[in-house]
Amino acid sequence: EAGVAQSPRYKIIEKRQSVAFWCNPISGHATLYWYQQILGQGPKLLIQFQNNGVVDDSQLPKDRFSAERLKGVDSTLKIQPAKLEDSAVYLCASSLWADETQYFGPGTRLLVL
Amino acid sequence: GENVEQHPSTLSVQEGDSAVIKCTYSDSASNYFPWYKQELGKGPQLIIDIRSNVGEKKDQRIAVTLNKTAKHFSLHITETQPEDSAVYFCAASITGANNLFFGTGTRLTVIP
Repeated sequence: EAGVAQSPRYKIIEKRQSVAFWCNPISGHATLYWYQQILGQGPKLLIQFQNNGVVDDSQLPKDRFSAERLKGVDSTLKIQPAKLEDSAVYLCASSLWADETQYFGPGTRLLVL
Repeated sequence: GENVEQHPSTLSVQEGDSAVIKCTYSDSASNYFPWYKQELGKGPQLIIDIRSNVGEKKDQRIAVTLNKTAKHFSLHITETQPEDSAVYFCAASITGANNLFFGTGTRLTVIP
């Protein structure tokens, strides 16, 4: 069974630029999560989707971050404009349904200069 | 929201010895406690989890214990091997396996 796929794996941008990350969850998984992991810290949930609907985005900085999951499968997370403090690894996870085990992708490492 | 503290931040053990990592949580309503292992350049991988209706769970060399009264839970790894070297994260959630609040991680090094 293929795992959670993410791209790109690495991204370097200048502050105030825009960036987008892509996630393809495990086939059949209805729930998708985006986490931000700052160096030396544990992952922090940004947003949770159930199919193509948002379940929880209370920790998403909505002034600059946006996410969508239009067809209930793939998802994109966008940052516009990026700040230095956005440098982190962005992890995508999926689960078969809510309240099921979360499986993480390899993450996208973002560096904002 | 939930606050999870994890100790120690680094842990070195000799191969074959046991390793113990401890976490405390703040919200007594938390009911799901997973442990993840993260290797360099990879995403976290679930190694064991426990729900609040269970006090202990074991899977081969790995065990987790939960003390709801004291609001703490621990990961125990016995007969450690070099491939156990990684960063381990605990997490807690009040909504089942949904909104996970992670600890700050423990870097475990197993010395051959």
